Amino acid sequence: EAQVTQNPRYLITVTGKKLTVTCSQNMNHEYMSWYRQDPGLGLRQIYYSMNVEVTDKGDVPEGYKVSRKEKRNFPLILESPSPNQTSLYFCASSLSIGGGPYEQYFGPGTRLTVT
Amino acid sequence: AQSVSQHNHHVILSEAASLELGCNYSYGGTVNLFWYVQYPGQHLQLLLKYFSGDPLVKGIKGFEAEFIKSKFSFNLRKPSVQWSDTAEYFCAVDSGNTPLVFGKGTRLSVIA
Repeated sequence: EAQVTQNPRYLITVTGKKLTVTCSQNMNHEYMSWYRQDPGLGLRQIYYSMNVEVTDKGDVPEGYKVSRKEKRNFPLILESPSPNQTSLYFCASSLSIGGGPYEQYFGPGTRLTVT
Repeated sequence: AQSVSQHNHHVILSEAASLELGCNYSYGGTVNLFWYVQYPGQHLQLLLKYFSGDPLVKGIKGFEAEFIKSKFSFNLRKPSVQWSDTAEYFCAVDSGNTPLVFGKGTRLSVIA
């Protein structure tokens, strides 16, 4: 089944404790992206990757890191989480961007609480 | 930079009422347009998309959207909503080789 998986689905952590949220897709998609969703703010892009070893900042990259060592995986790293990073996070992938209306497939979401 | 505006933050309708959700974007060139839906507690799913051709696009579950280039708009419509349409709806636009830009979403509540 074509899907985007994220782990963990729920995470409660404390300020400053490094964490990684994994994202994996099995559709051989080139493009992957991380979003955070906050009430009243919609979806804001954190980082995206056009292909392996190619990553770019989105609208709200501060406090986050990503890597794209393999095509299927795109982990999101919070080196020193803070309470303002409490949010619902979605990973997404698509065949590509540009040149056509490529649908983005979303993961189930990770609800992160930083205390 | 590209921006997407969804004018209605929260819409409340009775079952069988007609729905129209507004979406306007800022980019003047060629665009790809999308509507995504997020049911309570779930991830986003594609409702419909427009790339070229007929500006009236039909999607799943009886939804449709009309692209009006002169108005930079891509409004979502459904003739008769059901309780199960309660969800948050996001308009999104990409303009070629740039990442998808989402609107802030419109929450639809359908009451019996």
